[in-house]
Amino acid sequence: AQKVTQAQTEISVVEKEDVTLDCVYETRDTTYYLFWYKQPPSGELVFLIRRNSFDEQNEISGRYSWNFQKSTSSFNFTITASQVVDSAVYFCALISGTYKYIFGTGTRLKVLA
Amino acid sequence: DVKVTQSSRYLVKRTGEKVFLECVQDMDHENMFWYRQDPGLGLRLIYFSYDVKMKEKGDIPEGYSVSREKKERFSLILESASTNQTSMYLCASSLSYRLAGAKQYFGPGTRLTVT
Repeated sequence: AQKVTQAQTEISVVEKEDVTLDCVYETRDTTYYLFWYKQPPSGELVFLIRRNSFDEQNEISGRYSWNFQKSTSSFNFTITASQVVDSAVYFCALISGTYKYIFGTGTRLKVLA
Repeated sequence: DVKVTQSSRYLVKRTGEKVFLECVQDMDHENMFWYRQDPGLGLRLIYFSYDVKMKEKGDIPEGYSVSREKKERFSLILESASTNQTSMYLCASSLSYRLAGAKQYFGPGTRLTVT
């Protein structure tokens, strides 16, 4: 069975702190894709990153970075120097076929000024 | 930029009413999805369509049906709304069922309240 676990339901940090959102996945497939989406208060999920199972390189995009480790089945997301605008619900997702995405339950991040 | 629009942001309906939620995408995507989002449960797939008039049941199709008469439009229908269908409904699209790992584009969501 496929599963995505985001154990952190809610995280609160003070602005400028670094924060890491955890994502652990389960799949028996060797080819799969992992995603992170951001859902701001407006409601629309915004795509942040996609990583395929054959590419374990870490990714950095501005203040965002992602650490993909197949050995621990994790795809963690770090925000450096958090800002109030980062406040949102963040979803991790997995797909190993052509259409069935498995989403985690989401982590609500609150960044306090 | 891909745009996915949903007909309503907020909707209030009475128990037993027939409810239509409309979704339109403007990028000629083959795949369209309807999800339901509830606190603590994440996003759960209701139905998926990979082509006009083609549909697949997701994880929670009971109480819902869908219609895709045109490629750009995917409708979710609640035949007889019940209070346990009060939720946030999200529509999404992606390029093609033949393309593995395609990213999804989401609409803004419809928050439905059934009283």
